[in-house]
Amino acid sequence: QSVLTQPPSASGTPGQRVTISCSGSSSNVGSNTVNWYQQLPGTAPKLLIYSNNQRPSGVPDRFSGSKSGTSASLAISGLQSEDESDYYCATWDDSLNGPIFGGGTKLTVL
Amino acid sequence: QVTLRESGPALVKPTQTLTLTCTFSGFSLSTSGMCVSWIRQPPGKALEWLALIDWDDDKFYSTSLKTRLTISKDTSKNQVVLRMTNMDPVDTATYYCARCKRVAAGSRYFDYWGQGTLVTVSS
Repeated sequence: QSVLTQPPSASGTPGQRVTISCSGSSSNVGSNTVNWYQQLPGTAPKLLIYSNNQRPSGVPDRFSGSKSGTSASLAISGLQSEDESDYYCATWDDSLNGPIFGGGTKLTVL
Repeated sequence: QVTLRESGPALVKPTQTLTLTCTFSGFSLSTSGMCVSWIRQPPGKALEWLALIDWDDDKFYSTSLKTRLTISKDTSKNQVVLRMTNMDPVDTATYYCARCKRVAAGSRYFDYWGQGTLVTVSS
């Protein structure tokens, strides 16, 4: 069981806006920045959002991140079929003194 | 252009020691703020962070696996090596190395990943 809690699944129809939550505690999300990774089937994870809300070059602005207190969220607007993927949140945990990942959310585009 | 590539055995026997090498290019691990990390993913399961080494040779290990892991770097060869002792079938996973950047005191993010290497533990 992961220290960071994500819903195991999420879904939406093309064009819709979906959000994926990531819940932690004061020793991780509450005191460090949150990153999001997208993992398409059979491929390595890819950095999607870093430092809570920053997009690396090449990531569409349909993807956005936010953080409030001990929770963070990834929002995907204008959902597309190619967004069907696993999404992981991650941050540093001060108690464990290392990075931690959420359990992942499988996004299905209906 | 940043690239990372994992190499090592595809099959190891229980109780053996696994040695994985991450060979990278496009950046220097002696640059302030840079780090390289190992992350694994059992088939059908979530990502699990294993170990991380900073540009200044600071090392961090997963609490649950700390006694079995050793991470080291060879800056001149652009390589990071992970050793995991006493392998067990539950350690069967795809092992990734990733470049990371330190944002603040603890915060880091993994911005480039290798393709991963599947390691199966079986007799």
